Amino acid sequence: AQSVAQPEDQVNVAEGNPLTVKCTYSVSGNPYLFWYVQYPNRGLQFLLKYITGDNLVKGSYGFEAEFNKSQTSFHLKKPSALVSDSALYFCAVRDADNFNKFYFGSGTKLNVKP
Amino acid sequence: NAGVTQTPKFQVLKTGQSMTLQCAQDMNHEYMSWYRQDPGMGLRLIHYSVGAGITDQGEVPNGYNVSRSTTEDFPLRLLSAAPSQTSVYFCASSYEVGPGNTIYFGEGSWLTVV
Repeated sequence: AQSVAQPEDQVNVAEGNPLTVKCTYSVSGNPYLFWYVQYPNRGLQFLLKYITGDNLVKGSYGFEAEFNKSQTSFHLKKPSALVSDSALYFCAVRDADNFNKFYFGSGTKLNVKP
Repeated sequence: NAGVTQTPKFQVLKTGQSMTLQCAQDMNHEYMSWYRQDPGMGLRLIHYSVGAGITDQGEVPNGYNVSRSTTEDFPLRLLSAAPSQTSVYFCASSYEVGPGNTIYFGEGSWLTVV
Protein backbone atom coordinates (compact mmCIF):
# COMPACT_ATOMS: atom_id res chain seq x y z
CA ALA A 1 0.00 0.00 0.00
CA GLN A 2 1.08 3.56 -0.67
CA SER A 3 0.69 6.55 1.61
CA VAL A 4 2.20 9.90 2.48
CA ALA A 5 2.20 11.77 5.76
CA GLN A 6 2.54 15.47 6.37
CA PRO A 7 3.28 15.76 10.09
CA GLU A 8 2.66 19.50 10.37
CA ASP A 9 -0.78 21.00 9.96
CA GLN A 10 0.74 24.47 9.81
CA VAL A 11 4.14 26.04 9.26
CA ASN A 12 4.86 29.66 10.12
CA VAL A 13 7.87 31.46 8.70
CA ALA A 14 8.97 35.07 8.32
CA GLU A 15 9.38 36.53 4.88
CA GLY A 16 12.94 36.15 3.63
CA ASN A 17 13.64 33.13 5.83
CA PRO A 18 14.07 29.61 4.43
CA LEU A 19 11.05 27.33 4.61
CA THR A 20 10.61 23.57 4.83
CA VAL A 21 7.37 21.64 4.51
CA LYS A 22 7.77 18.02 5.54
CA CYS A 23 6.54 14.87 3.84
CA THR A 24 7.29 11.23 4.52
CA TYR A 25 6.16 8.36 2.36
CA SER A 26 5.48 4.65 2.48
CA VAL A 27 5.49 2.69 -0.77
CA SER A 28 5.69 -0.92 -1.83
CA GLY A 29 7.81 -0.22 -4.91
CA ASN A 30 9.54 2.76 -6.51
CA PRO A 31 8.40 6.08 -5.10
CA TYR A 32 6.85 8.57 -7.53
CA LEU A 33 6.39 11.71 -5.47
CA PHE A 34 4.72 15.03 -6.18
CA TRP A 35 4.11 18.38 -4.53
CA TYR A 36 1.06 20.54 -5.24
CA VAL A 37 0.03 23.95 -3.93
CA GLN A 38 -3.52 25.19 -3.39
CA TYR A 39 -4.43 28.85 -3.03
CA PRO A 40 -7.75 29.76 -1.36
CA ASN A 41 -10.80 28.66 -3.34
CA ARG A 42 -8.65 27.39 -6.19
CA GLY A 43 -7.62 24.04 -7.61
CA LEU A 44 -4.29 22.36 -6.99
CA GLN A 45 -1.28 23.52 -8.98
CA PHE A 46 1.66 21.25 -9.72
CA LEU A 47 4.98 22.33 -8.19
CA LEU A 48 7.45 19.53 -8.76
CA LYS A 49 7.95 15.78 -8.86
CA TYR A 50 10.50 13.08 -8.20
CA ILE A 51 10.51 10.07 -10.46
CA THR A 52 14.15 9.01 -10.61
CA GLY A 53 17.61 10.58 -10.78
CA ASP A 54 18.93 13.49 -8.73
CA ASN A 55 17.74 13.63 -5.17
CA LEU A 56 17.30 17.40 -5.34
CA VAL A 57 14.40 18.34 -7.56
CA LYS A 58 13.76 21.92 -8.68
CA GLY A 59 10.28 23.14 -9.45
CA SER A 60 8.09 26.16 -9.99
CA TYR A 61 8.26 29.49 -8.13
CA GLY A 62 11.72 28.77 -6.69
CA PHE A 63 10.67 25.66 -4.79
CA GLU A 64 12.77 22.55 -4.56
CA ALA A 65 12.43 19.22 -2.81
CA GLU A 66 14.94 16.76 -1.44
CA PHE A 67 14.29 13.06 -1.88
CA ASN A 68 15.85 10.97 0.89
CA LYS A 69 15.43 7.24 0.40
CA SER A 70 16.91 6.19 3.75
CA GLN A 71 14.57 8.49 5.66
CA THR A 72 11.66 7.95 3.22
CA SER A 73 11.18 11.69 3.05
CA PHE A 74 10.45 14.23 0.35
CA HIS A 75 10.58 17.63 2.03
CA LEU A 76 9.66 20.80 0.15
CA LYS A 77 12.04 23.72 0.54
CA LYS A 78 12.59 27.30 -0.53
CA PRO A 79 15.64 29.38 0.37
CA SER A 80 13.74 32.64 0.88
CA ALA A 81 10.01 32.70 1.60
CA LEU A 82 7.61 35.25 0.13
CA VAL A 83 4.29 36.38 1.60
CA SER A 84 2.71 35.19 -1.65
CA ASP A 85 3.89 31.63 -0.87
CA SER A 86 1.21 31.45 1.84
CA ALA A 87 -1.05 28.58 0.76
CA LEU A 88 -1.94 24.95 1.41
CA TYR A 89 0.69 22.44 0.27
CA PHE A 90 0.03 18.80 -0.53
CA CYS A 91 2.46 15.96 -0.93
CA ALA A 92 1.29 13.04 -3.06
CA VAL A 93 2.55 9.61 -4.10
CA ARG A 94 1.57 7.71 -7.19
CA ASP A 95 0.53 4.12 -6.67
CA ALA A 96 3.38 2.04 -8.11
CA ASP A 97 0.99 -0.88 -8.75
CA ASN A 98 -1.64 1.26 -10.43
CA PHE A 99 -0.41 4.52 -11.97
CA ASN A 100 -4.01 5.71 -12.20
CA LYS A 101 -4.12 6.35 -8.46
CA PHE A 102 -2.59 9.12 -6.37
CA TYR A 103 -2.55 9.25 -2.59
CA PHE A 104 -2.42 12.68 -1.02
CA GLY A 105 -1.25 13.84 2.38
CA SER A 106 -3.53 15.83 4.63
CA GLY A 107 -1.94 19.13 3.64
CA THR A 108 0.22 21.72 5.40
CA LYS A 109 -0.83 25.34 5.66
CA LEU A 110 2.12 27.64 5.12
CA ASN A 111 1.88 31.11 6.64
CA VAL A 112 4.56 33.59 5.61
CA LYS A 113 4.49 36.74 7.69
CA PRO A 114 5.88 40.07 6.49
CA ASN B 1 -6.79 26.88 -23.70
CA ALA B 2 -9.37 26.39 -20.95
CA GLY B 3 -7.70 23.36 -19.33
CA VAL B 4 -9.98 21.47 -16.91
CA THR B 5 -13.36 23.13 -16.45
CA GLN B 6 -15.76 22.22 -13.66
CA THR B 7 -19.37 23.29 -13.22
CA PRO B 8 -21.09 24.32 -11.04
CA LYS B 9 -18.63 26.05 -8.73
CA PHE B 10 -21.08 26.08 -5.81
CA GLN B 11 -24.15 23.97 -5.14
CA VAL B 12 -26.48 23.36 -2.21
CA LEU B 13 -28.52 20.15 -2.27
CA LYS B 14 -31.14 18.68 -0.01
CA THR B 15 -30.65 15.18 1.31
CA GLY B 16 -31.91 12.66 -1.20
CA GLN B 17 -31.63 14.92 -4.23
CA SER B 18 -29.54 13.93 -7.21
CA MET B 19 -27.18 16.03 -9.23
CA THR B 20 -24.31 15.88 -11.69
CA LEU B 21 -21.01 17.66 -11.41
CA GLN B 22 -19.65 18.40 -14.85
CA CYS B 23 -16.00 18.17 -15.88
CA ALA B 24 -14.61 18.95 -19.31
CA GLN B 25 -11.07 19.20 -20.62
CA ASP B 26 -9.85 20.50 -23.95
CA MET B 27 -6.34 19.04 -23.85
CA ASN B 28 -7.18 15.67 -25.42
CA HIS B 29 -6.23 13.94 -22.18
CA GLU B 30 -6.98 10.24 -21.96
CA TYR B 31 -6.92 10.08 -18.17
CA MET B 32 -9.55 11.84 -16.06
CA SER B 33 -10.44 11.48 -12.41
CA TRP B 34 -12.55 12.83 -9.57
CA TYR B 35 -11.30 13.58 -6.06
CA ARG B 36 -13.01 14.89 -2.97
CA GLN B 37 -11.25 17.13 -0.49
CA ASP B 38 -12.21 17.12 3.17
CA PRO B 39 -10.53 19.08 5.98
CA GLY B 40 -7.58 17.24 7.47
CA MET B 41 -7.88 14.38 5.01
CA GLY B 42 -6.27 15.65 1.85
CA LEU B 43 -7.73 14.50 -1.45
CA ARG B 44 -9.23 11.07 -1.96
CA LEU B 45 -9.84 9.43 -5.31
CA ILE B 46 -13.49 8.68 -6.12
CA HIS B 47 -13.44 7.34 -9.68
CA TYR B 48 -11.16 7.53 -12.66
CA SER B 49 -11.16 6.84 -16.39
CA VAL B 50 -8.35 5.95 -18.77
CA GLY B 51 -10.36 6.63 -21.91
CA ALA B 52 -13.82 6.81 -23.40
CA GLY B 53 -15.94 3.90 -22.20
CA ILE B 54 -13.48 2.88 -19.45
CA THR B 55 -14.00 3.76 -15.80
CA ASP B 56 -12.87 2.31 -12.50
CA GLN B 57 -13.25 2.90 -8.78
CA GLY B 58 -10.91 4.76 -6.50
CA GLU B 59 -10.71 4.87 -2.70
CA VAL B 60 -14.17 6.26 -1.95
CA PRO B 61 -16.57 5.35 -4.78
CA ASN B 62 -19.75 4.64 -2.78
CA GLY B 63 -22.60 7.01 -3.55
CA TYR B 64 -21.10 8.21 -6.82
CA ASN B 65 -21.48 7.15 -10.45
CA VAL B 66 -19.42 8.11 -13.47
CA SER B 67 -19.41 7.51 -17.19
CA ARG B 68 -17.07 8.52 -19.99
CA SER B 69 -18.81 8.72 -23.34
CA THR B 70 -16.31 11.17 -24.87
CA THR B 71 -12.65 11.96 -24.33
CA GLU B 72 -13.53 15.51 -23.24
CA ASP B 73 -16.18 14.92 -20.57
CA PHE B 74 -16.26 13.01 -17.29
CA PRO B 75 -19.38 13.81 -15.23
CA LEU B 76 -19.79 12.73 -11.61
CA ARG B 77 -23.29 11.80 -10.49
CA LEU B 78 -24.65 11.80 -6.97
CA LEU B 79 -27.75 9.62 -7.10
CA SER B 80 -29.13 10.38 -3.62
CA ALA B 81 -27.14 13.04 -1.84
CA ALA B 82 -26.21 12.61 1.82
CA PRO B 83 -24.73 15.14 4.28
CA SER B 84 -21.55 13.03 4.30
CA GLN B 85 -21.05 14.05 0.67
CA THR B 86 -20.61 17.68 1.64
CA SER B 87 -17.15 18.35 0.29
CA VAL B 88 -15.07 20.08 -2.35
CA TYR B 89 -14.82 18.06 -5.53
CA PHE B 90 -11.94 18.27 -7.96
CA CYS B 91 -11.68 16.90 -11.44
CA ALA B 92 -8.21 16.15 -12.78
CA SER B 93 -6.75 14.96 -16.06
CA SER B 94 -3.49 14.00 -17.72
CA TYR B 95 -2.36 13.12 -21.21
CA GLU B 96 -1.58 9.52 -20.43
CA VAL B 97 -0.86 7.40 -17.42
CA GLY B 98 2.76 6.84 -16.52
CA PRO B 99 4.87 7.24 -13.40
CA GLY B 100 6.04 10.74 -14.28
CA ASN B 101 2.91 12.17 -15.82
CA THR B 102 1.50 15.13 -13.95
CA ILE B 103 -2.23 15.42 -13.38
CA TYR B 104 -3.87 18.83 -13.79
CA PHE B 105 -6.74 19.94 -11.60
CA GLY B 106 -9.85 21.98 -12.20
CA GLU B 107 -10.88 24.85 -9.94
CA GLY B 108 -13.18 22.75 -7.78
CA SER B 109 -16.90 22.42 -7.04
CA TRP B 110 -18.10 23.24 -3.54
CA LEU B 111 -21.06 21.02 -2.61
CA THR B 112 -23.16 21.34 0.53
CA VAL B 113 -25.83 18.74 1.33
CA VAL B 114 -28.36 19.85 3.96
